[in-house]
Amino acid sequence: KAGVTQTPRYLIKTRGQQVTLSCSPISGHRSVSWYQQTPGQGLQFLFEYFSETQRNKGNFPGRFSGRQFSNSRSEMNVSTLELGDSALYLCASSLGLAGVLETQYFGPGTRLLVL
Amino acid sequence: DAKTTQPPSMDCAEGRAANLPCNHSTISGNEYVYWYRQIHSQGPQYIIHGLKNNETNEMASLIITEDRKSSTLILPHATLRDTAVYYCIVRPNYGGSQGNLIFGKGTKLSVKP
Repeated sequence: KAGVTQTPRYLIKTRGQQVTLSCSPISGHRSVSWYQQTPGQGLQFLFEYFSETQRNKGNFPGRFSGRQFSNSRSEMNVSTLELGDSALYLCASSLGLAGVLETQYFGPGTRLLVL
Repeated sequence: DAKTTQPPSMDCAEGRAANLPCNHSTISGNEYVYWYRQIHSQGPQYIIHGLKNNETNEMASLIITEDRKSSTLILPHATLRDTAVYYCIVRPNYGGSQGNLIFGKGTKLSVKP
């Protein structure tokens, strides 16, 4: 079974631009969660989507948004990019909502560099 | 905040068992212990999880103390490809924003030839 895929793998943007990242979950998985990883803050939860609805949200500003499509694929958007948004963005999928009994499987990530 | 404490780094000789400790003294009775690892610049990889019984799979063994305040991940025969950052995560109950993984700083395991 194919794993979680993320596109693009690498991206360079400039301050003030916006960016859209894509995530395709493992076939049959309905939950997609997004995480940001930076050297200073480590891995931090952004939000989770299930059945096209945002179910959980981390502590990030409104510039970070996402959506999920009927085929469970998800996109994450960051508007008005700042230098501090440079990070590895990771997507994780699970069969159901990300609760205690649901194991999350991660994709390879998209590395975003903001200049 | 992460509810676990791990040593920042450990070394292990290739072919030997790697024993990675984790303290989670405030764990609740229905919280699970999860282990993930992250090889440089890749996405975290699920290893194993458990509640109170010891668990074993093809990758590793998880030993949880009887009081559940600590656990040990065991890689029985470490190889160079096991060099990674290992994260021990106490999984909170699902509810609100509690369902997702809260990563700490992990242990950087270096397997040496």
